[in-house]
Amino acid sequence: GAVVSQHPSWVICKSGTSVKIECRSLDFQATTMFWYRQFPKQSLMLMATSNEGSKATYEQGVEKDKFLINHASLTLSTLTVTSAHPEDSSFYICSARIGAGFAPLHFGNGTRLTVT
Amino acid sequence: QQPVQSPQAVILREGEDAVINCSSSKALYSVHWYRQKHGEAPVFLMILLKGGEQKGHEKISASFNEKKQQSSLYLTASQLSYSGTYFCGTERDFGNEKLTFGTGTRLTIIP
Repeated sequence: GAVVSQHPSWVICKSGTSVKIECRSLDFQATTMFWYRQFPKQSLMLMATSNEGSKATYEQGVEKDKFLINHASLTLSTLTVTSAHPEDSSFYICSARIGAGFAPLHFGNGTRLTVT
Repeated sequence: QQPVQSPQAVILREGEDAVINCSSSKALYSVHWYRQKHGEAPVFLMILLKGGEQKGHEKISASFNEKKQQSSLYLTASQLSYSGTYFCGTERDFGNEKLTFGTGTRLTIIP
C-alpha cells in the first residue's frame, strides 16, 4: 500500500527558533500533499494544500509567512514553522492521495512539536 | 464548516454495537471515515460517494444520505481493537480534493 513517511516524529525547540518537518511519499508520486494540525483531543484541521512546483494554498487563518511550505519534487513536501512559539506546539500530520479525488488519504506518522 | 459528529464519546462492552453519525451543513460529494489511535496517524476505513451509497467490510459498515447531508458508521459486535477516535472527512466538490474532518467520536471498548 501507499506509504507516507514523515520526519521527525517529535521535536522540542526553543521559542523563536524554526523547525522543518519533512513529508515523503515513498512508493508513489504526489502532486498534492495536505498538511494538518491537531491539538490534543481535537480534530484534524487542514492548514494548507501543498502543490508540486507551485505555491501552497493556505486555509483561512493560517499565516503563510509563519508556516512555510515547499513542494519541490513529486515525493517531498516540507513544512517549516518559523519563529515558533509555545502556542505552535501541536501534532502536525501530512497526507497524500494516489490519483485524483475519491481516493483515501494516506497519512504520515505525524510530528509532535513542543516549543518551550 | 466542520461536520458535526455524534456522539462525542461512547463506552461499550466488547460485543456491543455502535453507531456514529456525521452531519454537514453543506452539500457533500463524498464522505470518508478514519480511525485514529492515541498518538498515531488516522487510518482509512472507507469512502462513500453521493448516490445513497452503503458499503461495509466485515463488522464495520457505513451509509451516506446526501439529501440529509449525513453519514453514519456502524460497528457491530465491537472488538477491543475498535477503540479509538473516529473521524468523518467530507468533500464538497468533485476534484477539490481537500478533506474537512468532523469533530470526532471517541469510542472506548471495555472487556
